[in-house]
Amino acid sequence: GQNIDQPTEMTATEGAIVQINCTYQTSGFNGLFWYQQHAGEAPTFLSYNVLDGLEEKGRFSSFLSRSKGYSYLLLKELQMKDSASYLCALTGGGNKLTFGTGTQLKVEL
Amino acid sequence: DTGVSQDPRHKITKRGQNVTFRCDPISEHNRLYWYRQTLGQGPEFLTYFQNEAQLEKSRLLSDRFSAERPKGSFSTLEIQRTEQGDSAMYLCASSDFDRLEAFFGQGTRLTVV
Repeated sequence: GQNIDQPTEMTATEGAIVQINCTYQTSGFNGLFWYQQHAGEAPTFLSYNVLDGLEEKGRFSSFLSRSKGYSYLLLKELQMKDSASYLCALTGGGNKLTFGTGTQLKVEL
Repeated sequence: DTGVSQDPRHKITKRGQNVTFRCDPISEHNRLYWYRQTLGQGPEFLTYFQNEAQLEKSRLLSDRFSAERPKGSFSTLEIQRTEQGDSAMYLCASSDFDRLEAFFGQGTRLTVV
C-alpha cells in the first residue's frame, strides 16, 4: 500500500513564501502530484515530479527526492486567494491517484 | 467549455433510493476516473476506465456501486440502496493515455438523509 503524510494546517502571511511538505512510504510510483482545492470545488492540477529535483511553474515550485520519500510544494508571493487545501498525491498503475489528506493553508494579512 | 463536467452538482436522496451520476470527460481523453471525497480527507480512488473498458475497481466499491462507460465517452456511476455512509463528494477526472496529469470535474455532492 501507500502511506502519505502532510501537515493538517498551516498559516502564512500575504506576500511571504510557504513550504508544504509531503512524506510518503510506497513500493513504487510513477509520479508525485500537487493539487489545489478550494472549499466545495474540484481539485486543480498545480505541478508534478517524475524525476528528483525541482519543477518551477510561476509562483509554484515542487521538489521530489525519491531516495528520501519526500516532496514539498513551495508557494511564493502568497496571495489571499492561495488560501485552500493542498493535496499531495502519488500515481500508480493506470495513473490512478492516491491522495494524502491535504494541508489546509490559511493566508493572512 | 472543454473541461470535465458532472451532473448533477448536488443530489439529496432518501436512504434506500438509487442514484445515478454522469460525467463527461474532456473529449480527447481516453482515461476516466471516479473518486469519492469526504470532508477533511483527500479523494479516494473508486474505479477507472480506459476507453470503454473498466480496468480497475477499488475495494471501496461495494456491490451496490456500478460504473459504466458504454461508448468510451461519458460515464455513469450508480449507487443502489443508498446508505448514509454514501454521503460524499463524487469526483470524476479524465486524462490522456500519454500524459500523467488528470483533470477533475466540479463533482457531485450526494447527501443521503
